[in-house]
Amino acid sequence: NAGVTQTPKFQVLKTGQSMTLQCAQDMNHNSMYWYRQDPGMGLRLIYYSASEGTTDKGEVPNGYNVSRLNKREFSLRLESAAPSQTSVYFCASSLLAGGSGTGELFFGEGSRLTVL
Amino acid sequence: SQKIEQNSEALNIQEGKTATLTCNYTNYSPAYLQWYRQDPGRGPVFLLLIRENEKEKRKERLKVTFDTTLKQSLFHITASQPADSATYLCALYGNNRLAFGKGNQVVVIP
Repeated sequence: NAGVTQTPKFQVLKTGQSMTLQCAQDMNHNSMYWYRQDPGMGLRLIYYSASEGTTDKGEVPNGYNVSRLNKREFSLRLESAAPSQTSVYFCASSLLAGGSGTGELFFGEGSRLTVL
Repeated sequence: SQKIEQNSEALNIQEGKTATLTCNYTNYSPAYLQWYRQDPGRGPVFLLLIRENEKEKRKERLKVTFDTTLKQSLFHITASQPADSATYLCALYGNNRLAFGKGNQVVVIP
């Protein structure tokens, strides 16, 4: 049972470089999410995809883009990385985004990104 | 603005005692509230969900209460064990998304 798989687990970038964080889930979930977690700030939602073919901004979308490639995969792209984007990024998925179902989120193990 | 507040100070508790954590929220009308556990270097793991029409939910040694009038949830770990040491996050659902509190660390002392 892989669950939610994120790659890479660690990455160091220089300011201005671009990169894509990959996320895949094998639970046939409809909804997928990208969060970032910073000390003292908690988990903050960057973007989410309530269902295949849709994406929406979360609390902190600036500097990021996302692609819901198919039902399984949801990628997060940093076009021009900045030191303020140094963080731990978590991908998550859930069966349904709406009020039905448990709404439980399953998280990946995180991707630790440092921007110099 | 919407806020979810958890105590920023770590809770140190003796093994065998009950740990109680508080989650307060403002400007939310959540359909449900969830609690997660997070270990260092790991992703959060779901523990319990409680709906707005439920007062209390239990799972093994865990108990959650939800008071929509007070806008507060309490999370209890009874007969705490060192393995319960972790950070516990509360999360509220609204507008197709889950918003998290900053988490409250629990340290169970043998």
